[in-house]
Amino acid sequence: EIVLTQSPATLSLSPGERATLSCRASQSVSSYLAWYQQKPGQTPRLLIYDASNRATGIPARFSGSGSGTDYTLTISSLEPEDFAVYYCQQRSNWPPITFGGGTKVEIK
Amino acid sequence: QVQLVQSGAEVKKPGASVKVSCKASGYTFTGYYMHWVRQAPGQGLEWMGRINPNSGGTNYAQKFQGRVTMTRDTSISTAYMELSRLRSDDTAVYYCARDLGKSQEGVMGYWGQGTLVTVSS
Repeated sequence: EIVLTQSPATLSLSPGERATLSCRASQSVSSYLAWYQQKPGQTPRLLIYDASNRATGIPARFSGSGSGTDYTLTISSLEPEDFAVYYCQQRSNWPPITFGGGTKVEIK
Repeated sequence: QVQLVQSGAEVKKPGASVKVSCKASGYTFTGYYMHWVRQAPGQGLEWMGRINPNSGGTNYAQKFQGRVTMTRDTSISTAYMELSRLRSDDTAVYYCARDLGKSQEGVMGYWGQGTLVTVSS
């Protein structure tokens, strides 16, 4: 089973700042890495798939990068609605599909 | 537009079973895999398994093997997830989620609203 480790656990930033979230896999996931956003009381929403492809309707301030075992989600300039929990997920070697533990982006 | 509508909240006693439904609309139900993901209170996301609505074939996470059964009824475009021998740590929100596309198996592009299952004596 591929283990995904997200860091940091919590990121405290102000609106307008740049957010950089990390996801490290226990073995290569060959860019089959997705990112989801979840706000309190809401359903997860797909942001990025296959490392760098934005899902439909996702603003351009969200971008994904990486390869092999190391991946990054970048939010170029935080909007008030971006404060949420973000999860990475791999579909390279499954079952099982696995998720990271999440990074909470909170208002500083 | 794609919609996944799940059944309502459930309260069950330890040892009982629960069956959650997920009614799909806005697309060809048999064309895309359906996944089930759960989230315990204050915790992260956990994949339970998936079903091919066309064939009925399933893949389950090893953790749930023997306790989970995923089925579907193509006549009403509905997927089901049944979890048996419930324990208190099965208390969670259970989501169904559809593959984004045929080339993106395992990318969960569409989600149901979630069903809270509470296990308590």
